[in-house]
Amino acid sequence: GAVVSQHPSRVICKSGTSVKIECRSLDFQATTMFWYRQFPKKSLMLMATSNEGSKATYEQGVEKDKFLINHASLTLSTLTVTSAHPEDSSFYICSAYDTDNEQFFGPGTRLTVL
Amino acid sequence: GNSVTQMEGPVTLSEEAFLTINCTYTATGYPSLFWYVQYPGEGLQLLLKATKADDKGSNKGFEATYRKETTSFHLEKGSVQVSDSAVYFCAPGDNQGGKLIFGQGTELSVKP
Repeated sequence: GAVVSQHPSRVICKSGTSVKIECRSLDFQATTMFWYRQFPKKSLMLMATSNEGSKATYEQGVEKDKFLINHASLTLSTLTVTSAHPEDSSFYICSAYDTDNEQFFGPGTRLTVL
Repeated sequence: GNSVTQMEGPVTLSEEAFLTINCTYTATGYPSLFWYVQYPGEGLQLLLKATKADDKGSNKGFEATYRKETTSFHLEKGSVQVSDSAVYFCAPGDNQGGKLIFGQGTELSVKP
């Protein structure tokens, strides 16, 4: 199957700083990528849909100014958590959607904000 | 919008036991249906899918049948193994753009 990578896998930052997470589709082009947040023992919550060359579409309740998404190429989407606070600590997962109606998931990024 | 209700876990079974994880959904139209699995410390992987009514998805001994009349997509396996221990997610998808709505996940623990 297709491979999606995320970088970094873990990041620890101080409160008030910004953190960028990269999501790459390694062997296919993805016009659409998705960003999810997963809390411990909880389901994945869709945060936003990232479309190459256009603005991301955010789900209700997700602050677009706090979670900046950029999808500058067909293989790369980035999520920047701006002015991070401890409540932003979570597991962030991206996925890339191929034209065969299937999503391929990255391994996730564990963000800890001190 | 679409929603999904999944059997609560954790589910603990002995090796070779029969597994059923229930999943029901609400959706407009006829979405594709997916089961994803998350092994400890790993990312989500597609386990199986079905794209239309009465389709049966199968993989690694797991099966699920798209039941339109009961809006269900229950996951079954006849004989589980320790290596099946993981969290299983049911997810209906829309057919426009690929958005998935995940169930709450069911943790399965298989004991030797």
